[in-house]
Amino acid sequence: AQSVAQPEDQVNVAEGNPLTVKCTYSVSGNPYLFWYVQYPNRGLQFLLKYITGDNLVKGSYGFEAEFNKSQTSFHLKKPSALVSDSALYFCAVRDRGSGYSTLTFGKGTMLLVSP
Amino acid sequence: DTEVTQTPKHLVMGMTNKKSLKCEQHMGHRAMYWYKQKAKKPPELMFVYSYEKLSINESVPSRFSPECPNSSLLNLHLHALQPEDSALYLCASSQEVSGGTYNEQFFGPGTRLTVL
Repeated sequence: AQSVAQPEDQVNVAEGNPLTVKCTYSVSGNPYLFWYVQYPNRGLQFLLKYITGDNLVKGSYGFEAEFNKSQTSFHLKKPSALVSDSALYFCAVRDRGSGYSTLTFGKGTMLLVSP
Repeated sequence: DTEVTQTPKHLVMGMTNKKSLKCEQHMGHRAMYWYKQKAKKPPELMFVYSYEKLSINESVPSRFSPECPNSSLLNLHLHALQPEDSALYLCASSQEVSGGTYNEQFFGPGTRLTVL
């Protein structure tokens, strides 16, 4: 069975500092990996995805993520955090090998960026 | 148009009421999804439609009844709900659901449902 772990319930960072939101995965076969962000009372917004190719993936709003196969990780990063980045972040994984495979979400990490 | 729209934004209903949630997309996506999300929790998949056919039903109670009238529209009919069904209901769409290249899901803003 596939799974995603987000080990931190909350990440606190000061505006202007770099941020990292952690994600590790467990799948059979090669994974499709995604990051989504959810602002209060809103739906999920797609940030970026890893399918294949370069391990460093660049996405929306200055976010990027690094795929590390040996550590089975897909951490979300941003060089300089903004207060407006404060939101709930979800890592998700799909198993490429199966048929009607589903999108498995991590539990979510709340990012709080202080002024 | 890269938007998934959902109506209504908010819905309050009694346990004996019948109501419907509506979702629409005009991106040509052939897969559409219903999720249920409790506060500060990840979305839980309820149903998946692929090419207007129900492909996945994640053991959802029969008081939730999905319908896909056409490739752009997805409904969720609600009847005799319980207070624990109160949640944010999210609709999503994507280009593919099975095999091949998987594309990201686009989510609507959700319907906030309160069952009294």
